Amino acid sequence: GAVVSQHPSRVICKSGTSVKIECRSLDFQATTMFWYRQFPKQSLMLMATSNEGSKATYEQGVEKDKFLINHASLTLSTLTVTSAHPEDSSFYICSARESSGAQETQYFGPGTRLLVL
Amino acid sequence: GNSVTQMEGPVTLSEEAFLTINCTYTATGYPSLFWYVQYPGEGLQLLLKATKADDKGSNKGFEATYRKETTSFHLEKGSVQVSDSAVYFCALMGGGYQKVTFGTGTKLQVIP
Repeated sequence: GAVVSQHPSRVICKSGTSVKIECRSLDFQATTMFWYRQFPKQSLMLMATSNEGSKATYEQGVEKDKFLINHASLTLSTLTVTSAHPEDSSFYICSARESSGAQETQYFGPGTRLLVL
Repeated sequence: GNSVTQMEGPVTLSEEAFLTINCTYTATGYPSLFWYVQYPGEGLQLLLKATKADDKGSNKGFEATYRKETTSFHLEKGSVQVSDSAVYFCALMGGGYQKVTFGTGTKLQVIP
């Protein structure tokens, strides 16, 4: 099946620094990628929809200046958490929808655990 | 808007027991329905899906039937194993933006 990778898998940073998370579709092209945030013992919350070559669409309540998304190619989307604070600590998961495949199938990355000290 | 409601966990079962995790949904139109599984420390994996009414999705002994009349997509497995211990998410995809709406997840623990 289709594979989506995320890098890094785990990151610890100091408060005030910025952290970049990469999401790659390894064996398919993804016009659309999605970024989710998962709090402990809770479901996934969609943060934004990332479309290749255009601006991301953010969900209500998600600060676009805080969570910068860039979808530079059909296989790569990045999420940058700017000026991170402890409340940004979370599990961030991306997913990708294959451009040529069934529109209803999204493939999820393994997630990135962010801890801000 | 769309929503997914699934039974709260955790669910604890003995090995070889029968599993049911209930899931109901609210959506306009005809959404596609999914079950995802998340093993400890990992991301989500698609377990099974159904795209129209009366479809049955199945994988690894798990199955779920898309019931439009009851707006349900309950997950079942006849005989669970310890390796099935994970968090299971019911989800739907609908609407023009093709966003996925997840339930809150149900943690399953299978004991030997």
